[in-house]
Amino acid sequence: KAGVTQTPRYLIKTRGQQVTLSCSPISGHRSVSWYQQTPGQGLQFLFEYFSETQRNKGNFPGRFSGRQFSNSRSEMNVSTLELGDSALYLCASSLDSGVGYEQYFGPGTRLTVT
Amino acid sequence: KQEVTQIPAALSVPEGENLVLNCSFTDSAIYNLQWFRQDPGKGLTSLLLIQSSQREQTSGRLNASLDKSSGRSTLYIAASQPGDSATYLCAVFYTGTASKLTFGTGTRLQVTL
Repeated sequence: KAGVTQTPRYLIKTRGQQVTLSCSPISGHRSVSWYQQTPGQGLQFLFEYFSETQRNKGNFPGRFSGRQFSNSRSEMNVSTLELGDSALYLCASSLDSGVGYEQYFGPGTRLTVT
Repeated sequence: KQEVTQIPAALSVPEGENLVLNCSFTDSAIYNLQWFRQDPGKGLTSLLLIQSSQREQTSGRLNASLDKSSGRSTLYIAASQPGDSATYLCAVFYTGTASKLTFGTGTRLQVTL
């Protein structure tokens, strides 16, 4: 079974621009979560989508948004990029939503904001 | 505040040695705990998932234990190999936080020849 895939793998953007990242979950998985990883803050939860609805949200500004499609694929959007948004963005999929389902992570998208 | 701590931040051991990585959490109201491995610049690979009702979980040379009352989990790696070199992260599902994993800061392991 194919794992979680993320595209693109690398991105370089300029401050003020916006960016969209994509995540395809493992086949049959219906929940997709997004995390931001930085050297200073470690891994932090952004949000989770299930059945095309945001189920849970972390403590990030409204510039960070996402959506999920009927095939469970998810996109994450960051508007008005700031230098501090430079990070590895990881998505994880699980069979279902809610506490305790084993999370499977993709390879990540490395975003650099200049 | 629900936090997860991993000590030490870095560890270097010679090949063949058995080692223990530590993970501490501040709130005993956990649902389960998951150990991951991350290679430089890569995503996370799930190693073991241990339920709050379990005491141990094993996979090959890896053994994870969980003690909710003391707020600790350990990952034991037997007969370490250079290929085990990576950052090891523990993450907790706290009860009541739905689908959000709270991650530790990780232990960077280097296994030398």
